[in-house]
Amino acid sequence: DTGVSQDPRHKITKRGQNVTFRCDPISEHNRLYWYRQTLGQGPEFLTYFQNEAQLEKSRLLSDRFSAERPKGSFSTLEIQRTEQGDSAMYLCASSNNGRGPEAFFGQGTRLTVV
Amino acid sequence: KNEVEQSPQNLTAQEGEFITINCSYSVGISALHWLQQHPGGGIVSLFMLSSGKKKHGRLIATINIQEKHSSLHITASHPRDSAVYICAVAKGGSEKLVFGKGTKLTVNP
Repeated sequence: DTGVSQDPRHKITKRGQNVTFRCDPISEHNRLYWYRQTLGQGPEFLTYFQNEAQLEKSRLLSDRFSAERPKGSFSTLEIQRTEQGDSAMYLCASSNNGRGPEAFFGQGTRLTVV
Repeated sequence: KNEVEQSPQNLTAQEGEFITINCSYSVGISALHWLQQHPGGGIVSLFMLSSGKKKHGRLIATINIQEKHSSLHITASHPRDSAVYICAVAKGGSEKLVFGKGTKLTVNP
């Protein structure tokens, strides 16, 4: 197992375009988290899945953002009509620890909206 | 006020020095994490604590639940320790992590 993997690592897009990121968690982990990190700040929670169920969404996740985990394995995060303020590092983490995530993070996807 | 505060924000040390990074939090937690982030973004988990003290190599993490405070110590620091160190807490009853802003450590040879 190579850990949590994210694709792509970098994405540059024009304002108004849609983008989709993928996260493949550690195979036996049933919990998957998305976080967003802007420059100079710590990551902020976006959303969380247990298996295929999306159990919590942050108010940061506007209606332009949607996340899925259709088979309880990989997850996608889509941003529609991107804005410059969406530029950030999008981090995925996975866990199977019921006392909170074990903090197995992917390398992140860095999004730049121009 | 942020729920998780770290100090200092930036720290520069000479190789071999003993490093301490502090984290204070204001909420009830089920666990506290120390994470390391290198340029390029990837985050590595160093420790997950709910009480006491943990040691791994030159790294030591302690937590005082009553005082809502944790410290990360690095002994015999090395330039390869240069990174951003982030404290994060799992709030009681929640699955998500709440992060501090990080401490940028630079260790000069």
